[in-house]
Amino acid sequence: GGIITQTPKFLIGQEGQKLTLKCQQNFNHDTMYWYRQDSGKGLRLIYYSITENDLQKGDLSEGYDASREKKSSFSLTVTSAQKNEMAVFLCASRTDTNTGQLYFGEGSKLTVL
Amino acid sequence: GDQVKQSPSALSLQEGTNSALRCNFSIATTTVQWFLQNPRGSLMNLFYLVPGTKENGRLKSTFNSKESYSTLHIRDAQLEDSGTYFCAADNNNAPRFGAGTKLTVKP
Repeated sequence: GGIITQTPKFLIGQEGQKLTLKCQQNFNHDTMYWYRQDSGKGLRLIYYSITENDLQKGDLSEGYDASREKKSSFSLTVTSAQKNEMAVFLCASRTDTNTGQLYFGEGSKLTVL
Repeated sequence: GDQVKQSPSALSLQEGTNSALRCNFSIATTTVQWFLQNPRGSLMNLFYLVPGTKENGRLKSTFNSKESYSTLHIRDAQLEDSGTYFCAADNNNAPRFGAGTKLTVKP
């Protein structure tokens, strides 16, 4: 088995601030994803990465940057936090882009003051 | 429009009864996943499906790729089945999620 670790679990920021969330997986999976979930809503895809140093934009990439520093880690940066950026960010991974089930981390909850 | 539509958006069941949740896809879908999100926000894998049917205990799921839908059947609902159920449609790119079905099982 493996685990996906997201840090921090809770992040409080100021409007306009640049904020970074980190995700580590020890499954040795090739593909990693970042999703955003607003309260009571479904998950929306922000960025994903097929392999180390690869980046692919999802449906909600504007306002975010991402970085796949190595196979096991995938970071997401909110480039300028907005008042409506209160959400949970979920990291996921799977074996490769085309096959395999997604495994999720526990989430990082962002609150912008 | 929504690429993955889930219905119903909310459902209340009496303990011991049966029900079905549904996802309709407007994108080409090769595999489907079903998840249960608990009140703490953790996502639990229920099924990963190619076209066909899988069963696990009181849960059964079907993915019909020709008609672009998937269903999740819950038999003999228990209190611990409460939570929000999500389906995700995979199109060899990245999985897209529906808005979820919030299930409440009452004693």
